[in-house]
Amino acid sequence: AQSVTQLDSQVPVFEEAPVELRCNYSSSVSVYLFWYVQYPNQGLQLLLKYLSGSTLVKGINGFEAEFNKSQTSFHLRKPSVHISDTAEYFCAVTKNTGFQKLVFGTGTRLLVSP
Amino acid sequence: EAGVVQSPRYKIIEKKQPVAFWCNPISGHNTLYWYLQNLGQGPELLIRYENEEAVDDSQLPKDRFSAERLKGVDSTLKIQPAELGDSAVYLCASSSPREADTQYFGPGTRLTVL
Repeated sequence: AQSVTQLDSQVPVFEEAPVELRCNYSSSVSVYLFWYVQYPNQGLQLLLKYLSGSTLVKGINGFEAEFNKSQTSFHLRKPSVHISDTAEYFCAVTKNTGFQKLVFGTGTRLLVSP
Repeated sequence: EAGVVQSPRYKIIEKKQPVAFWCNPISGHNTLYWYLQNLGQGPELLIRYENEEAVDDSQLPKDRFSAERLKGVDSTLKIQPAELGDSAVYLCASSSPREADTQYFGPGTRLTVL
């Protein structure tokens, strides 16, 4: 079975500062990895995904993430955050044999202040 | 293109009462998912449909939960009777065969059981 650990439940940061949200996963098979964002009272929106190929993936809103197989990590980064990036961020994993079941982490709340 | 539609957005009921949630997926999306999201947690899959067939309902508590997807389009998730611990957000998502790696989420239904 797959599992995801997001160690930081909350990350406070000032506007225009860089940020990294950490995600580590566990799996006995190869995986696909995803980051989703959830704004208050809304559903989840896909930020980016790693399926294969380049380990550095770029997503929407200036976010990027790097897949590190040896460290079983998929950390999310943004060089300069905006107030509007305040939201809950979820890392998710699924077996690379299909996309049937996403396993989510517990989420990291990004709080951007002026 | 319209997104995933869910109704109602909010529901407050007393324990032991029945409740139903409705989901209309994106047009052309044959795969439909119901997730449960407890406060402060990531979503957890309850059931997955491929067209009208429930292909993964292993996480659905079948003693009180039921779901249907007649004609392979809209879906209804029902709880009868509801318990206090069922208070959560119920998310619906859908995906298409051409973009199977991406699930599109609705805004969710927030259920409060008193």
